[in-house]
Amino acid sequence: KQEVTQIPAALSVPEGENLVLNCSFTDSAIYNLQWFRQDPGKGLTSLLLIQSSQREQTSGRLNASLDKSSGRSTLYIAASQPGDSATYLCAVRPPGGSQGNLIFGKGTKLSVKP
Amino acid sequence: ETGVTQSPTHLIKTRGQQVTLRCSSQSGHNTVSWYQQALGQGPQFIFQYYREEENGRGNFPPRFSGLQFPNYSSELNVNALELDDSALYLCASSPSLAGEGSEQFFGPGTRLTVL
Repeated sequence: KQEVTQIPAALSVPEGENLVLNCSFTDSAIYNLQWFRQDPGKGLTSLLLIQSSQREQTSGRLNASLDKSSGRSTLYIAASQPGDSATYLCAVRPPGGSQGNLIFGKGTKLSVKP
Repeated sequence: ETGVTQSPTHLIKTRGQQVTLRCSSQSGHNTVSWYQQALGQGPQFIFQYYREEENGRGNFPPRFSGLQFPNYSSELNVNALELDDSALYLCASSPSLAGEGSEQFFGPGTRLTVL
């Protein structure tokens, strides 16, 4: 059974720092991995999607990597800002299931202090 | 382009009642999925609809049911509400069923409280 773990559960950094969020999954057989941002009480905003054949994706200050063989992904945030404060969730889509069957971690709650 | 919308925003029900939540998919998207997110947890997959048919289901009992309409909008119905059904219910849409895996786009969610 696929399980997704995110460490740390919470992270507090000063503004301007570069930081890395970690995501691990137990079964390397995945179609893709997606990183989301969630503000308190709100829905999910898609940040980056990495297909199983890809190693990384970049969008602005965000860079996500994928290492299927080791079951790991990282989300790198450069030059963090207070507006980056949110919970970051990673999710994998296993093969064989329906396309919507994303399996999520519990998230990392990020706080960026001014 | 209109994103995924959900209604209502908040809802309070009592145990044993029934509830219907609604979702309009993003323009051009024909696949809709529903998730339940308890406080402090990641979302859990409930089921997915494609072309008005259920196309996959997570580990949820039959009292969780759904519909998809010809315009690809969708409903989630929950019967015999229990206290543990209190959660944020999220709807997500994607452009197609085929392929390696399309990006999921989520709505703002409906907060359900069961008393």
